[in-house]
Amino acid sequence: DGGITQSPKYLFRKEGQNVTLSCEQNLNHDAMYWYRQDPGQGLRLIYYSQIVNDFQKGDIAEGYSVSREKKESFPLTVTSAQKNPTAFYLCASSAGPNSPLHFGNGTRLTVT
Amino acid sequence: GQQVMQIPQYQHVQEGEDFTTYCNSSTTLSNIQWYKQRPGGHPVFLIQLVKSGEVKKQKRLTFQFGEAKKNSSLHITATQTTDVGTYFCAGPQGSARQLTFGSGTQLTVLP
Repeated sequence: DGGITQSPKYLFRKEGQNVTLSCEQNLNHDAMYWYRQDPGQGLRLIYYSQIVNDFQKGDIAEGYSVSREKKESFPLTVTSAQKNPTAFYLCASSAGPNSPLHFGNGTRLTVT
Repeated sequence: GQQVMQIPQYQHVQEGEDFTTYCNSSTTLSNIQWYKQRPGGHPVFLIQLVKSGEVKKQKRLTFQFGEAKKNSSLHITATQTTDVGTYFCAGPQGSARQLTFGSGTQLTVLP
């Protein structure tokens, strides 16, 4: 059963700590994305990767970092430099440009 | 800057009433996609429109892409409680042509 797996579903961290969110896909998609969603708002692009070992900054990349060492995996690190890290984080993949996005179930991060 | 605007932000309807959400882009789009996010869930792809003036139907849902490829609409006929959720439009924008999402329309259907 193909899909995207994000873990954990809920994550709690203290301010000043880095935290890494996991995203794994078995859809054999080349492109992967990280979006941030705040309450009552749309999705904002953090980082994206169109191919292994390459990634690009999205609209709100400051305070985040990613890696793409394997086609299946695209972890996101929320660093202590991110001023407002509490949000719902969504990972997605697609077969390529202009193709529909397949989303994971999301990780809800709370930083106190 | 380049953006995708969506209205209304919220819509409450009585079950059985119709519903429409509108999407406007500051730039011409090569295509537009629509997604639905149920409360507590993740966005799920509904449809993609590519051609100018295109109209597509999925049961009670009708999607339109404007002639100038800068606006789109989603119309739901005779809403049901299962239609509850937030509907997003998204189109490729910017130099990298990555999907930019509208802010969404949150639909509440009252039984």
